[in-house]
Order: sequence, then structure tokens, then C-alpha cells
Amino acid sequence: DTGVSQDPRHKITKRGQNVTFRCDPISEHNRLYWYRQTLGQGPEFLTYFQNEAQLEKSRLLSDRFSAERPKGSFSTLEIQRTEQGDSAMYLCASSLAHQPQHFGDGTRLSIL
Amino acid sequence: SQKIEQNSEALNIQEGKTATLTCNYTNYSPAYLQWYRQDPGRGPVFLLLIRENEKEKRKERLKVTFDTTLKQSLFHITASQPADSATYLCAPYSGGGADGLTFGKGTHLIIQP
Repeated sequence: DTGVSQDPRHKITKRGQNVTFRCDPISEHNRLYWYRQTLGQGPEFLTYFQNEAQLEKSRLLSDRFSAERPKGSFSTLEIQRTEQGDSAMYLCASSLAHQPQHFGDGTRLSIL
Repeated sequence: SQKIEQNSEALNIQEGKTATLTCNYTNYSPAYLQWYRQDPGRGPVFLLLIRENEKEKRKERLKVTFDTTLKQSLFHITASQPADSATYLCAPYSGGGADGLTFGKGTHLIIQP
């Protein structure tokens, strides 16, 4: 069990640019989640995959955000036309059905 | 709307004492409630899960209680150590097929030597 891996750990970009983050879940986990966390707050749910199917999206996930999980393995989260308010830690988690979630250490996004 | 409240102020505890953290929730009927630990710059780490039909759950120095009448969970760390210093997050889960967790803001626990 190598844990959930996220890449990159840090991303600094200019407002208006597009960014993409990658998450590699624990290999046998069929469920994958994306969360966003800002300073002093708990993680906020963004979206959830079961295998390759995206089953749930939060209202926080504006149309500038898109997530994919091709072949039910790794996942990517893309943010288009980044805004200052997108600055946050983006966390990925994976799990088996009805089991606790295992989190990666996140990608910290800073928008200049 | 659903609301989760955790101690907003940092909790300072003397080493060796018991730390007690509170999680109150409103407009929820959680099937279970989870507690996670988060260190600075790291992702949350799962600690304990307690179901609605369980009053208490223990794991080593950790104990969680769940009172569905009071709509409250208490998280206890006995014989606390400086290494227990972290932010602790609670996440009540209502089920119903939606699997995304909703977390409280967390309580920052500081164990002083």
C-alpha cells in the first residue's frame, strides 16, 4: 500500500491560466474523491468517482472545473481560467465502498 | 441547512492529561461519524468511525462517543503527548448513496510538555 499520491505538490500560476492536477489512488480502491481546503476550514467535497463514472458533483464545482478518471485508475482535476478565489489546497482521497477515505497530501495552488 | 460545529478556538492541554474535543451537528441524521487527524501541509488521516447504534468506540488512547439525542460526538485522547498536537476533524455522514464527506472546520489541539 503506497498510499494516495498527488502531483504536483505545489503549483503557482497567473490568473487566467489553466492548471491540471493528478491523483493516483490506492490501487485496489474503486472510489475516488476530490476536495478543496482553504486555510482554517475543513475539506469541502467537490466530486466523486466510482470506477470511471463521475457519480456526484458539488455545487462548488463550477463549469471551469472538470474532473476525469479514465479507465478507473488515476484521476485529473482541471481548472480553466483560474481566479484568485481558486487558491486552495486540492485534496484527493480514495476508498473501497463504505470504508473510510484515505487522503493524499494535496496540491497547493497559488494564483498570482 | 446542515451545520457542523467544532471548538473554534485552539485547545491547549498539558501533557499527560486527557484532551476532549467536541463535534456538534444540526439538521443531520448521520448513519455514522468519522474523526480524522490533519497535520500542517498534509492530508487528513482517518482515526475512528462510530455508527449511530454505537455509544462508544476505542482505539488505543483514543475514545469516541456518539449521542444522537444531543447530536454530539466527543473525541478523547488520554495520556496526551506533544506528538498528538494536530487539527482534528469530524465528519458526520448521512448516507443515502452520496459518498462525499462534509467536514467541520476542525479543532487545533496543542499538547504542551
